[in-house]
Amino acid sequence: AQKITQTQPGMFVQEKEAVTLDCTYDTSDPSYGLFWYKQPSSGEMIFLIYQGSYDQQNATEGRYSLNFQKARKSANLVISASQLGDSAMYFCAMRSYNQGGKLIFGQGTELSVKP
Amino acid sequence: DVKVTQSSRYLVKRTGEKVFLECVQDMDHENMFWYRQDPGLGLRLIYFSYDVKMKEKGDIPEGYSVSREKKERFSLILESASTNQTSMYLCASSLSRVGNQPQHFGDGTRLSIL
Repeated sequence: AQKITQTQPGMFVQEKEAVTLDCTYDTSDPSYGLFWYKQPSSGEMIFLIYQGSYDQQNATEGRYSLNFQKARKSANLVISASQLGDSAMYFCAMRSYNQGGKLIFGQGTELSVKP
Repeated sequence: DVKVTQSSRYLVKRTGEKVFLECVQDMDHENMFWYRQDPGLGLRLIYFSYDVKMKEKGDIPEGYSVSREKKERFSLILESASTNQTSMYLCASSLSRVGNQPQHFGDGTRLSIL
């Protein structure tokens, strides 16, 4: 069965420091993609970053990078130089080729950035 | 820019009512999705559609139905609302079902069933 696990319900980080949000996944499909979304308190889901299972390099998008360890089935999100506006819920999600485009989401991690 | 619009941000209905949640996207996407979000459970897929008049059950379809008469519009219907359907409902659309194309989400509807 496909599954995404985020083990950190809540985290705190000091402004300007880096933070890592954990995500592990389980799938038997060799072709899959991993997505991270940010959800501020206003409710909209904002796409941050994508990593494909066959990508050789870790994905990066500005201050966001993905620490992809395929053998360990983990896809941790790293946010560098945290800002107050980074305070939000963060969701890891997986889409596998054989699941026909459906996204499976983790439980989410609530990040709070302290000034 | 991508735009997914949900008809209401907040909605209050009574038990037993038939409730319609509307979602419109302006990107000519074939794929549309309805999720509900509950604390500690993440987002769970209710129904999805890959084409007009086509629908597929997601993980939690009980008590819901959907309608897709036009490509840009995907409606979620609560046939007879119950208090356990109080939740945040999110609509999404995507260009592709594979690869790096993300799903784009609306702002969500916070639905309360009294």
